Amino acid sequence: DAGVTQTPRHEVAEKGQTIILKCEPVSGHNDLFWYRQTKIQGLELLSYFRSKSLMEDGGAFKDRFKAEMLNSSFSTLKIQPTEPKDSAVYLCASKGTANTGQLYFGEGSKLTVL
Amino acid sequence: GEKVEQHESTLSVREGDSAVINCTYTDTASSYFPWYKQEAGKSLHFVIDIRSNVDRKQSQRLIVLLDKKAKRFSLHITATQPEDSAIYFCAASDSGSWQLIFGSGTQLTVMP
Repeated sequence: DAGVTQTPRHEVAEKGQTIILKCEPVSGHNDLFWYRQTKIQGLELLSYFRSKSLMEDGGAFKDRFKAEMLNSSFSTLKIQPTEPKDSAVYLCASKGTANTGQLYFGEGSKLTVL
Repeated sequence: GEKVEQHESTLSVREGDSAVINCTYTDTASSYFPWYKQEAGKSLHFVIDIRSNVDRKQSQRLIVLLDKKAKRFSLHITATQPEDSAIYFCAASDSGSWQLIFGSGTQLTVMP
């Protein structure tokens, strides 16, 4: 079974640019999460989808961050406009249905904003 | 909202010794407590979890203890091996939302 696939693995952007990160969850998983990982802030939840419905939109991240679930097997995270403080690793994770909490994480997209 | 504090930022042990990582949480509604491992340059990988209906769970060399009164849970790794070296993250959520709040991570180093 394919795990969670994230592209691109690395992205370098100029301040003010728009970037789109992509995620394909594990086939059959209904829940999808976007996290941001930095050394200082650790792991922060950006968005959470359940069966393509947005359940959590990340509060403080709302203004420049937009996650979408275009279909059950594809999600995007758009950052517009980018700022240097957005430099981080963006992790996508998916979870199966029912009574399991185990998340399967992708390898992450490392974003550097100059 | 929920806050998860991971008490040890670094931990070094000798190969074969036990390692203990401690976490506390704030929300009494939290009922699910997983642990994840992140090896250098890699993503997070689930290792073990515990739910609030039990206070102990073991999987091979991993033991998780949960003290609901103290809002504390811990990961015990017995007979440590060099491949146990990694960052370990604790997390908490309620079983309704499944939105995990993570601790800040513990860098475990197992010395030969």
